[in-house]
Amino acid sequence: SYEVTQPPSLSVSPGQTASITCSGDNLGYKFVCWYQKRTGQSPVLVIYKNNKRPSGIPDRFSGSSSGNTATLTISGTQAMDEADYFCQAWDISPVFGGGTKLTVL
Amino acid sequence: VQLQESGPGLVKPSETLSLTCSVSGGSISFSYWSWFRQSPGKGLEWIGYIYYNGITNYNSSLESRITISLDASKNQFSLRMNSVTAADTAVYYCARMMDQVFYDWGQGTQVTVSS
Repeated sequence: SYEVTQPPSLSVSPGQTASITCSGDNLGYKFVCWYQKRTGQSPVLVIYKNNKRPSGIPDRFSGSSSGNTATLTISGTQAMDEADYFCQAWDISPVFGGGTKLTVL
Repeated sequence: VQLQESGPGLVKPSETLSLTCSVSGGSISFSYWSWFRQSPGKGLEWIGYIYYNGITNYNSSLESRITISLDASKNQFSLRMNSVTAADTAVYYCARMMDQVFYDWGQGTQVTVSS
């Protein structure tokens, strides 16, 4: 079955750029979504179809995908961006990465 | 679209977990409706989805124990999971999917399996 892999954690300082990767075989041929999940809250879609931002999501969130890797980039990271981030692709059913815990310190 | 999960917060081992997701602010038609869960310290686990016409797709690891159904007249869809164990303790979420994207999520409901 198809799998996607994320690093378990990433730490950045406020104002820096956070780049969270999602890897899978030929992932660039699939659409990738990214979800933010803060502790105790429900997931929020932040990027869909690789690089599209839903309304209400700040433009510091961006996405890209090529080859075997998709990347969620958060520019000018803020304390409120501290959360778990999950990538999602599609095989015969949705496939989620294990999540990356972003710490802003 | 807003989604709200409801159901018992405590289920005994070997019994059946039943949850309902109420959809407001839009019709349940022409979308896919999904269930997820997240156990402590773990990632998001997709459970399954149902299309408004009744077509379902389930996580193969849970398929033998779950049923997802939909009641369009009530704008609700439901999850039933039988033979639960402590491993099924999690926060359960319902979500709306279109074009393989999960756009809207409920706030989640904690389900604990314990005697």
